[in-house]
Amino acid sequence: AQSVTQLDSQVPVFEEAPVELRCNYSSSVSVYLFWYVQYPNQGLQLLLKYLSGSTLVKGINGFEAEFNKSQTSFHLRKPSVHISDTAEYFCAVSAKNQGGKLIFGQGTELSVKP
Amino acid sequence: DVKVTQSSRYLVKRTGEKVFLECVQDMDHENMFWYRQDPGLGLRLIYFSYDVKMKEKGDIPEGYSVSREKKERFSLILESASTNQTSMYLCASSSEFVSNQPQHFGDGTRLSIL
Repeated sequence: AQSVTQLDSQVPVFEEAPVELRCNYSSSVSVYLFWYVQYPNQGLQLLLKYLSGSTLVKGINGFEAEFNKSQTSFHLRKPSVHISDTAEYFCAVSAKNQGGKLIFGQGTELSVKP
Repeated sequence: DVKVTQSSRYLVKRTGEKVFLECVQDMDHENMFWYRQDPGLGLRLIYFSYDVKMKEKGDIPEGYSVSREKKERFSLILESASTNQTSMYLCASSSEFVSNQPQHFGDGTRLSIL
């Protein structure tokens, strides 16, 4: 079975500051990794995904994430945030043998203040 | 562009009622999923379907059933609604029976059971 832990439930940050949202996972099999964003009153939108290859993955809106197999982590980063990045962020994993089922973390609320 | 449409954004029902939540996708995707989203718990999988007339239980199927009579439509049914089913419900779809395909989400239905 897989599990995902997002280490921070809320992250307040000032505009133009860097941010890191932390995600750790556990799995007995190889996994694919995803970050989704949910803006207020909307569904989830894919930010980026790690399938294989380079461990640094770039996504939309200037976000990137780094896959660290030894630490079983997939932290999300952005060097300079905007007010419009205020949203909830979800890390998710999909086991390579389970046909597309996603296991989600609890979510991290990013609040960007002026 | 990918489109997953949930029939209602907000729904208020009474305890004991039979409730139908509808989801339609226009991408000819094989896979469809129903999740519920609760604060601090992230998204939890209720049911999913890999093909027409096929369904499989997710992590929290109790009190729910589903129907998939056509490829583009996946319905979630609350057989006898209870107050603990008050939640945000999200529908998603993805292509192919492989784990590396991202899921595309609707905007959600916020369901209140009184």
